[in-house]
Amino acid sequence: GQQVMQIPQYQHVQEGEDFTTYCNSSTTLSNIQWYKQRPGGHPVFLIQLVKSGEVKKQKRLTFQFGEAKKNSSLHITATQTTDVGTYFCAGRTSGYALNFGKGTSLLVTP
Amino acid sequence: DAGVTQSPTHLIKTRGQQVTLRCSPKSGHDTVSWYQQALGQGPQFIFQYYEEEERQRGNFPDRFSGHQFPNYSSELNVNALLLGDSALYLCASSPRTLYNEQFFGPGTRLTVL
Repeated sequence: GQQVMQIPQYQHVQEGEDFTTYCNSSTTLSNIQWYKQRPGGHPVFLIQLVKSGEVKKQKRLTFQFGEAKKNSSLHITATQTTDVGTYFCAGRTSGYALNFGKGTSLLVTP
Repeated sequence: DAGVTQSPTHLIKTRGQQVTLRCSPKSGHDTVSWYQQALGQGPQFIFQYYEEEERQRGNFPDRFSGHQFPNYSSELNVNALLLGDSALYLCASSPRTLYNEQFFGPGTRLTVL
């Protein structure tokens, strides 16, 4: 079955440093979504990427979808303490199921 | 506008028991998906309901079953509970269109002793 791998598992940065998490799928994806989960909270939708090579920005966050639609990345510029949480990618191949990666936990110290 | 609501918040059961978890979707949403999130893991897709039918199922045993009601609310039932069923159970709703974000509820924390 489809597997979605995320690296790194954990990242600890100083406030103001950049952060990147990578997502790789064993199969070609029809689309990929990114979610953020704060400690003790539930996943909250950040963005969806559909097209090959797509790049989307949300303020300090930049999302990319690979040309082969098998990988994706989330880059945060100049992290803030409010960025703390676990970032998940979730991909779809065919059908309705979203397959989540294990997530990257980000810790930001002031 | 209420978001996705789930009940109960926490639940403690013993092995072999049965449990029912409930979910009310966000207003205007007709599709409900259920996920299991073990500690330190990403959510795992259990199944999705649309028009009161199970539309797709993930890799979970038949002990996991569900139902969707005409008002789009949904239930997740788990029979013959195992210790490994201890997890956060998340309900997510979305409009019927395939390419849409999912709105997650706060989850039900199930502990099996």
